[in-house]
Amino acid sequence: GAGVSQTPSNKVTEKGKYVELRCDPISGHTALYWYRQSLGQGPEFLIYFQGTGAADDSGLPNDRFFAVRPEGSVSTLKIQRTERGDSAVYLCASSSSGVPEAFFGQGTRLTVV
Amino acid sequence: GQQVMQIPQYQHVQEGEDFTTYCNSSTTLSNIQWYKQRPGGHPVFLIQLVKSGEVKKQKRLTFQFGEAKKNSSLHITATQTTDVGTYFCAGLDSGNTGKLIFGQGTTLQVKP
Repeated sequence: GAGVSQTPSNKVTEKGKYVELRCDPISGHTALYWYRQSLGQGPEFLIYFQGTGAADDSGLPNDRFFAVRPEGSVSTLKIQRTERGDSAVYLCASSSSGVPEAFFGQGTRLTVV
Repeated sequence: GQQVMQIPQYQHVQEGEDFTTYCNSSTTLSNIQWYKQRPGGHPVFLIQLVKSGEVKKQKRLTFQFGEAKKNSSLHITATQTTDVGTYFCAGLDSGNTGKLIFGQGTTLQVKP
């Protein structure tokens, strides 16, 4: 596709449930980022992939959060035992080697009720 | 850990007035990027600064990177209503792991 695609665009889940958020980066982009953005805040870094491997996962808040990128393209952010505090917009971005610009998707708005 | 702070958090200006947002990092940065996010949208890349003391211009926007590579500013001359949005700086840490840390953003409102 032409841009970064994130699905679903909206997700409402009950507290304690498991959710998966998907990111399709721009074709050929080796770097992929996950951020979380709460209202009125800047994007909060979660994890960064270079290819298939997580180059930096220091932003994952706890072990309920996990992300994979098995073939170096699509990535899935997985959240176990969701809590109300996990409610936010989850943004994915990708970039190409040697090009600084990170292209963001439209985000997945996660609401935990 | 590395922190990137931005001030002010909000700025309301009359159309035609100038606007400046400031960004400060707790650590030396490899480079700094600026993004704009319109209400309801996602961040869109504006520019990257790499060199100490670098100044870049895009029409009415002027970006500066401090000599110590720990601070940056964005100045908009003669604001227009199309400039409305939140402006974020994002720093790439000097360890160059690729981790991009965003500031909290400055939200600009322009009154016509």
